[in-house]
Formats: sequence, C-alpha cells, structure tokens
Amino acid sequence: GIQVEQSPPDLILQEGANSTLRCNFSDSVNNLQWFHQNPWGQLINLFYIPSGTKQNGRLSATTVATERYSLLYISSSQTTDSGVYFCAVFYNQGGKLIFGQGTELSVKP
Amino acid sequence: EPEVTQTPSHQVTQMGQEVILRCVPISNHLYFYWYRQILGQKVEFLVSFYNNEISEKSEIFDDQFSVERPDGSNFTLKIRSTKLEDSAMYFCAIHRDRGPRAQYFGPGTRLLVL
Repeated sequence: GIQVEQSPPDLILQEGANSTLRCNFSDSVNNLQWFHQNPWGQLINLFYIPSGTKQNGRLSATTVATERYSLLYISSSQTTDSGVYFCAVFYNQGGKLIFGQGTELSVKP
Repeated sequence: EPEVTQTPSHQVTQMGQEVILRCVPISNHLYFYWYRQILGQKVEFLVSFYNNEISEKSEIFDDQFSVERPDGSNFTLKIRSTKLEDSAMYFCAIHRDRGPRAQYFGPGTRLLVL
C-alpha cells in the first residue's frame, strides 16, 4: 500500500522561529490533509491541499503532487503551535486516510 | 467545525467487557469513518461506512468490532470483548456529501482497558 513519511520526526524551536515540515508519499493521491494534534489529543484540520499552495495566517502549505511531497510552513512560531503535526493522504483505493508518523513540534518560550 | 461530536470522551473498562462508542454528526452525512490511535503512534484506519453499509475495513477491524447507525443519525462502534491492546484513542470522521472530500475528525474517545 501507499507509504507516507514525515520529516523530521521531532523538532524543537524557540518562539518566533520559522520551520518547514515535510511529507513524502509513495503513490499518486487524490487528497492530502495536514492536521495538528493538540495536547488534548484532538485532530485539528489545518489544510486540505491535494495540490498547489494555501495560506492561513502564520501557516501555509504546498503540495507538489507530481513529485509526491507536501510541505507545511510555520512562521513566527508560538508555544501554542506545540503538538504533533500529521499529514494524511487519500488515494484511489477507497476513502480512507493514510497517516504519516507525525512530526512532534515543541516551541519553547 | 465541529462537524461531529463523540461520546463518551473517556471510558475505562475491564478486559472482556463490551464497549460502545458513539459518533454524532452535526448534520446529515453519508460518509463515516472510524480510526484509532494507540498512545504515541500514528492514526490508523479501522472502517468506512457509506450509505448504511461498510464500504471498507482494515485488518484491525476483526470480528470483535462492529459498526452500525441504529437511529439514522448516530454512528456507533462496538467492541464485543475488549482486550488490553484495544486501549487507544478512537476517532470518528466524516466528510461532506458535496465539495472537497476533506475529512473532519471528532474529538475522540479515549478508551482504557484494564
């Protein structure tokens, strides 16, 4: 089946720093989503981005479907950005999302 | 958002007991999914449910698991005889009937089997 790999696995930042999280996937996909899992375990939708670039405040995402990767940019990071960031893909064989292992981000004050 | 709520938020049960987890969509949806996340691991697909039928299930979704939509709105996941390894966060997800097929996740039920 399709493989989804995220890097880096862990990231520690000082407040105010910028970061880039990467998601590689092994096959063509119809959908890609980025989630933030907060300390309470909730999965918060960040982006639905099968291709192209989107921005939402300090966050932006780019998916290059032909090269099978997506990037999540976090600018001017805040302590509330801490948590685990997951990318997940949906592909032709059914509607299920396949998740990566996540990037655990810790933003220090 | 939120598109979907889940009850209970936490459940502690004894091994061998049955548990029922509930998912309540805010509006009428046709597509439902259950996922689980063992502590510290990635989110894994369990089952998808479309138009009142299972459309796909994973290897994890064995005979101990069942899903149904008993009253046309709530969507339930039943584990018949829980095992220690069923301890996890269980998420319900939906996507809208029209437009982009982004999946929206409920807040989850944290299940602990003792």
